[in-house]
Amino acid sequence: GAVVSQHPSRVICKSGTSVKIECRSLDFQATTMFWYRQFPKQSLMLMATSNEGSKATYEQGVEKDKFLINHASLTLSTLTVTSAHPEDSSFYICSAQIRDGYTFGSGTRLTVV
Amino acid sequence: AQTVTQSQPEMSVQEAETVTLSCTYDTSESDYYLFWYKQPPSRQMILVIRQEAYKQQNATENRFSVNFQKAAKSFSLKISDSQLGDAAMYFCAYRSNQAGTALIFGKGTTLSVSS
Repeated sequence: GAVVSQHPSRVICKSGTSVKIECRSLDFQATTMFWYRQFPKQSLMLMATSNEGSKATYEQGVEKDKFLINHASLTLSTLTVTSAHPEDSSFYICSAQIRDGYTFGSGTRLTVV
Repeated sequence: AQTVTQSQPEMSVQEAETVTLSCTYDTSESDYYLFWYKQPPSRQMILVIRQEAYKQQNATENRFSVNFQKAAKSFSLKISDSQLGDAAMYFCAYRSNQAGTALIFGKGTTLSVSS
């Protein structure tokens, strides 16, 4: 139980385009979703916290206009990378809090060319 | 602000041996949770073990156990009878007792297991 499905797993996009990443909670309601970014062989850095029905809270240094987060329902949170540039290439992971801890999506490897 | 420090970027162990991964943290809170997560090459985050700060007893999960020293703010992970499948990046993480807060991760330790 408590599975978060994250799609796509890999995406390649051209510079200047936008990419949407979806995280769905399959068998529970996620009132809060956390979005992380991870560079190769580095730790997970929290980008933002999204709460269903309200605006996301972004960590210091994260551009809210570039990384648009929407949490319109209790089972879906999306991260849209707008006007992507090569430096946005990274691994993005979503996570939801559950009773005994957290569950994570399988991640999205974004490559901007 | 809370911080989590893992001072061992890389560790290695032979199959069937025991290895200990170190983690220290800093917080002014008295009630919190600590976790160890494993991230294999697939990059899926897998919960290894969880410890509530109010519990004095160290958590154990099969071959995995922790040494939780609250006063020293230390939370090490011991892996016994290491297996090839244990090779992964291991993250120590902290969570405040406040509802809706995210995990704060250490920088991670890459564990390699040799046969």
